Amino acid sequence: GDSVTQMEGPVTLSEEAFLTINCTYTATGYPSLFWYVQYPGEGLQLLLKATKADDKGSNKGFEATYRKETTSFHLEKGSVQVSDSAVYFCALSSPGAGSYQLTFGKGTKLSVIP
Amino acid sequence: DSGVTQTPKHLITATGQRVTLRCSPRSGDLSVYWYQQSLDQGLQFLIQYYNGEERAKGNILERFSAQQFPDLHSELNLSSLELGDSALYFCASSVGDSLSEQYFGPGTRLTVT
Repeated sequence: GDSVTQMEGPVTLSEEAFLTINCTYTATGYPSLFWYVQYPGEGLQLLLKATKADDKGSNKGFEATYRKETTSFHLEKGSVQVSDSAVYFCALSSPGAGSYQLTFGKGTKLSVIP
Repeated sequence: DSGVTQTPKHLITATGQRVTLRCSPRSGDLSVYWYQQSLDQGLQFLIQYYNGEERAKGNILERFSAQQFPDLHSELNLSSLELGDSALYFCASSVGDSLSEQYFGPGTRLTVT
């Protein structure tokens, strides 16, 4: 079945450091890929998405490129802020059995210190 | 605020009991998805409803059931509760039954003692 593997956390960075969170996937067909963010005590928010190979999703300074050849969708940000501290989930949606449910990675907790 | 509401926010109950979690989707959204978030299993898809009909099932236990009502709100029923059912339960909604963005509610934290 479909699966998502993302780097284990927690990740602790200093403000203005470069961020990379690795994500690889296994899926049948051509999935769409997502990054969701969960701030403490809140639900998940869609951060960015890409629906086909070589698409780049971007939002709030975060970027991720859909790489079909390496089955990857790594999240990057050039300069993190304290307000980026949260848990980040990589996810895919593959319309097997006529549904678009999301399959999530285990999440990576990011802490940014001043 | 995603526009998806879930009640209650917190629920504490004993083993063997039954609880009902409620979700109201965003206005106009026809699909409702339920997910369970636990420390050991992570975020897992449970079940989806679209316009009142069950659309897909994931890792949902037989002790759990759900339904979507004509006004499109949904309820997740959990019965014969076990300690391992303690988790955050999220509801998400989307416009249709296609690849459209899912908006998540704030979740219901269930603690089984």
